Amino acid sequence: QKEVEQNSGPLSVPEGAIASLNCTYSDRGSQSFFWYRQYSGKSPELIMFIYSNGDKEDGRFTAQLNKASQYVSLLIRDSQPSDSATYLCAVLYGQNFVFGPGTRLSVLP
Amino acid sequence: EAGVAQSPRYKIIEKRQSVAFWCNPISGHATLYWYQQILGQGPKLLIQFQNNGVVDDSQLPKDRFSAERLKGVDSTLKIQPAKLEDSAVYLCASSLWGGNTEAFFGQGTRLTVV
Repeated sequence: QKEVEQNSGPLSVPEGAIASLNCTYSDRGSQSFFWYRQYSGKSPELIMFIYSNGDKEDGRFTAQLNKASQYVSLLIRDSQPSDSATYLCAVLYGQNFVFGPGTRLSVLP
Repeated sequence: EAGVAQSPRYKIIEKRQSVAFWCNPISGHATLYWYQQILGQGPKLLIQFQNNGVVDDSQLPKDRFSAERLKGVDSTLKIQPAKLEDSAVYLCASSLWGGNTEAFFGQGTRLTVV
């Protein structure tokens, strides 16, 4: 059973703070990892993907991957109220995207 | 570039009725996915096509769900007969070839079974 786990939240952070979202996965052989954002009532949209150990930065977003610990994280710097959404971690197992349950983030003005 | 198109957006049916959803993926995308997303949960893969062949349907309840992708483009997902627990958003997604490429999602169909 290939699993992806996330804390469901809600995670509340004040505006301007750093939001840290975590994800663990069960299959050590996984190679590709994706973070999707899903606003209430909308479909998921890709924020970032990461394949290699270490950090990958894109604007206010940083994805971190530690394959030895089977751990992926997403940091959102200078959080804005518009970042309030559910963040889905997805792991590519072979050709299948397996999604975690999502973490609901609330950025408080 | 046009996105993934789905219809209908909303559907309300009574239990034991049948329903069908339609998806048109992004042009040139070989891989098509159908996901079921129950409120408060992450998307769960129902079936994955590579062109018009099935790659994975291990989580598709085959006694009531069926899907096809004729000519490797459009796809339909059918539920017959529907149960109350089928109430969910059905998301269609596509990707170039299902490898290290992102999946793009359609707007989804919200199904309510009463």
